Amino acid sequence: GQNIDQPTEMTATEGAIVQINCTYQTSGFNGLFWYQQHAGEAPTFLSYNVLDGLEEKGRFSSFLSRSKGYSYLLLKELQMKDSASYLCAVTEGLLKAAGNKLTFGGGTRVLVKP
Amino acid sequence: EAQVTQNPRYLITVTGKKLTVTCSQNMNHEYMSWYRQDPGLGLRQIYYSMNVEVTDKGDVPEGYKVSRKEKRNFPLILESPSPNQTSLYFCASSFLGQAGNEQFFGPGTRLTVL
Repeated sequence: GQNIDQPTEMTATEGAIVQINCTYQTSGFNGLFWYQQHAGEAPTFLSYNVLDGLEEKGRFSSFLSRSKGYSYLLLKELQMKDSASYLCAVTEGLLKAAGNKLTFGGGTRVLVKP
Repeated sequence: EAQVTQNPRYLITVTGKKLTVTCSQNMNHEYMSWYRQDPGLGLRQIYYSMNVEVTDKGDVPEGYKVSRKEKRNFPLILESPSPNQTSLYFCASSFLGQAGNEQFFGPGTRLTVL
């Protein structure tokens, strides 16, 4: 089984930087996803990390440390439209289908203020 | 346009009245999955399918059924809905095999069982 923890809510100012942490405990780690979800809408893919280190994609970056069971999502130059929930999800296992199974944390709601 | 569609988007029903939520994808994905999303609990997997006629239970399958007669469709069936199945439901799909395959989510179905 898996246990995935992330803060419930964070508030930041437009133009600032926010870091959303995610810790996980898993029996067979196979990668970590970050998804963005605006209220009432579908989650959309942001990033995938399977190796240690930082992956940068525009204003968003994601970091992974497998030895620590830790990831973070960094949002730079915050914009009002970044107000959303950010979902950390882990895949585990060696079976084909298991590689597609996502186990989600509870999500972090980010509120960007002017 | 590549997409996952769900119908209906909103449904209010009564306890015990059988219902079906449809899900369809046009990306030729092998893997399809149903999730429910509840406040504080995040997204939890109900059922998944690796291909036509291949389905299996996720983490919270009780009270649900699925079928996969065609590759593009993966309906969710509630034979006798109960109030604890009031939730926001998402269908998702992806290619099978690699752990990093992005899952594409449908727009969601908000179900209320009275």
